[in-house]
Amino acid sequence: AQSVTQLDSQVPVFEEAPVELRCNYSSSVSVYLFWYVQYPNQGLQLLLKYLSGSTLVKGINGFEAEFNKSQTSFHLRKPSVHISDTAEYFCAVSEANQAGTALIFGKGTTLSVSS
Amino acid sequence: DTGVSQDPRHKITKRGQNVTFRCDPISEHNRLYWYRQTLGQGPEFLTYFQNEAQLEKSRLLSDRFSAERPKGSFSTLEIQRTEQGDSAMYLCASSHEGTGTGTFFGQGTRLTVV
Repeated sequence: AQSVTQLDSQVPVFEEAPVELRCNYSSSVSVYLFWYVQYPNQGLQLLLKYLSGSTLVKGINGFEAEFNKSQTSFHLRKPSVHISDTAEYFCAVSEANQAGTALIFGKGTTLSVSS
Repeated sequence: DTGVSQDPRHKITKRGQNVTFRCDPISEHNRLYWYRQTLGQGPEFLTYFQNEAQLEKSRLLSDRFSAERPKGSFSTLEIQRTEQGDSAMYLCASSHEGTGTGTFFGQGTRLTVV
């Protein structure tokens, strides 16, 4: 079974500052990794995903994440945040190469960007 | 509209009543998932369909919950004899040929049981 730990429940930052949202996972098998964003009263939008290959993954809205197998981490980064990035961010994992397996989510990190 | 659509967006019901939610996945997606999200938590997997077959159910899915996908297109999730603990956001998601291609979520149905 897999599990996901998002190390920070809330991250406050000022506009144009860099940000890192931390995610660690646990699994005995190979995994796929995802980051989703959720705006208030909305569903989840896929930011980026790691399936294989390059460990640095670029997503939408200027976000990127780096897969570190030895540290079982998949931290999300953005060099300069905007007010509009204020949202809930979820890290998720699924078992690799297994069609249809469900996503296992962390509890989320609330990113609050202020001016 | 090419996204996942859920109806209704909000539902308030009295304890003990039955409720039914509908999900229309992205048309070419053969896999459909239901998740439940409570306040301050990430989504939790409930059940999964491949075409019309329900292939996996979570232990979270009690006997009061039933999901169907009769023609492999839209899906319904019914909760019988609702309890206050059922209050949550119910999210539907769909994907094609496994989560590796990306799982896309609807906007959810927020259920409040009073």
